[in-house]
Amino acid sequence: GAGVSQSPSNKVTEKGKDVELRCDPISGHTALYWYRQSLGQGLEFLIYFQGNSAPDKSGLPSDRFSAERTGGSVSTLTIQRTQQEDSAVYLCASREGDYGYTFGSGTRLTVV
Amino acid sequence: RKEVEQDPGPFNVPEGATVAFNCTYSNSASQSFFWYRQDCRKEPKLLMSVYSSGNEDGRFTAQLNRASQYISLLIRDSKLSDSATYLCVVNVDYKLSFGAGTTVTVRA
Repeated sequence: GAGVSQSPSNKVTEKGKDVELRCDPISGHTALYWYRQSLGQGLEFLIYFQGNSAPDKSGLPSDRFSAERTGGSVSTLTIQRTQQEDSAVYLCASREGDYGYTFGSGTRLTVV
Repeated sequence: RKEVEQDPGPFNVPEGATVAFNCTYSNSASQSFFWYRQDCRKEPKLLMSVYSSGNEDGRFTAQLNRASQYISLLIRDSKLSDSATYLCVVNVDYKLSFGAGTTVTVRA
């Protein structure tokens, strides 16, 4: 597609449930990032995939968070046993080369 | 200390005014620098890269001072459509660090 696609755009879940967020990057982009943005806050790095290299998971806030990228394309961010503090907008971005990180429109996650 | 710090503002300016703001970054190994724009409840979008020699894109001018580790953005002849949050972004080893943003509101 022309841009980075994320789904769902909105997700409301009950505390304790698991959620999966999907990111479909720009075709051919080898780098893929997940960030999250809480209300009124800056973007917080979560995880970075680059080609076939081991992902940089240094930003994942707890072991309830995991992500995978299948076939070097689509990525799924999974949050297990969701907590209210997980409520945020989860943004995916992809990049090719040194220029132009393109963001998806995000998934707004609300844990009730 | 945060990796990237910005004055949150808000900067409230009339149409046609010039507004400028800075950000500072802590990692001297930072390799590349950007300004992103984020509208309310939207994703960040690349406004411009920031080069060591300074660069312009229309009404927008970005400057980088590596010695002092700060980046600036200047907007000339402000338009109502410039109202947004401007995010300072620093790249270290292909991991982006974002400032919390500077809010600019341009009034008629």
